[in-house]
Amino acid sequence: NAGVTQTPKFQVLKTGQSMTLQCAQDMNHNSMYWYRQDPGMGLRLIYYSASEGTTDKGEVPNGYNVSRLNKREFSLRLESAAPSQTSVYFCASSGQGVTGYNEQFFGPGTRLTVL
Amino acid sequence: GNSVTQMEGPVTLSEEAFLTINCTYTATGYPSLFWYVQYPGEGLQLLLKATKADDKGSNKGFEATYRKETTSFHLEKGSVQVSDSAVYFCALSANSGYALNFGKGTSLLVTP
Repeated sequence: NAGVTQTPKFQVLKTGQSMTLQCAQDMNHNSMYWYRQDPGMGLRLIYYSASEGTTDKGEVPNGYNVSRLNKREFSLRLESAAPSQTSVYFCASSGQGVTGYNEQFFGPGTRLTVL
Repeated sequence: GNSVTQMEGPVTLSEEAFLTINCTYTATGYPSLFWYVQYPGEGLQLLLKATKADDKGSNKGFEATYRKETTSFHLEKGSVQVSDSAVYFCALSANSGYALNFGKGTSLLVTP
């Protein structure tokens, strides 16, 4: 199993450009998440999808859109990139454990720089 | 709302020293608690977890006990190694199927 995969690993954009970050998981998990990681801020939730066909805003959704394409894939789109979106983006997924706790599995991250 | 507070870093220790990273939380109900570790250039990995009060999570020599009376989940290791150098995140999940609330992370550097 590959677990959670993300593409691309690195990306440089100019202000105003658009791009889509891809995420896929092969663990048959229901829930998927997008976080951004900034120095001194920890991880902040951008959007999540509790199950296929649903998406919800997290703590910092402005400037982003998401698509839960199917159970495996959850993409994050920047329509008009801004320097404030320079960050490391992590995708994660979780299943419904028998105890109900929410263990998440993370991808390797995408390092995005917006000039 | 739910939140996690963990000690500021960076923490620098010599090899074989004792490690404590403090974590306290605020949450309604009975959250599950986690410690994740992030090695340089990598994503986060689950280190250990506890799902109810007085549970002790343990893995790779690390331990943390879920203390409901003090709303704490401090991470400890008796003898750190250079390979433990990483960023450690405390997190909570208040509802199964929903996202985690993370602390800001504590950077640990272990020197030979």
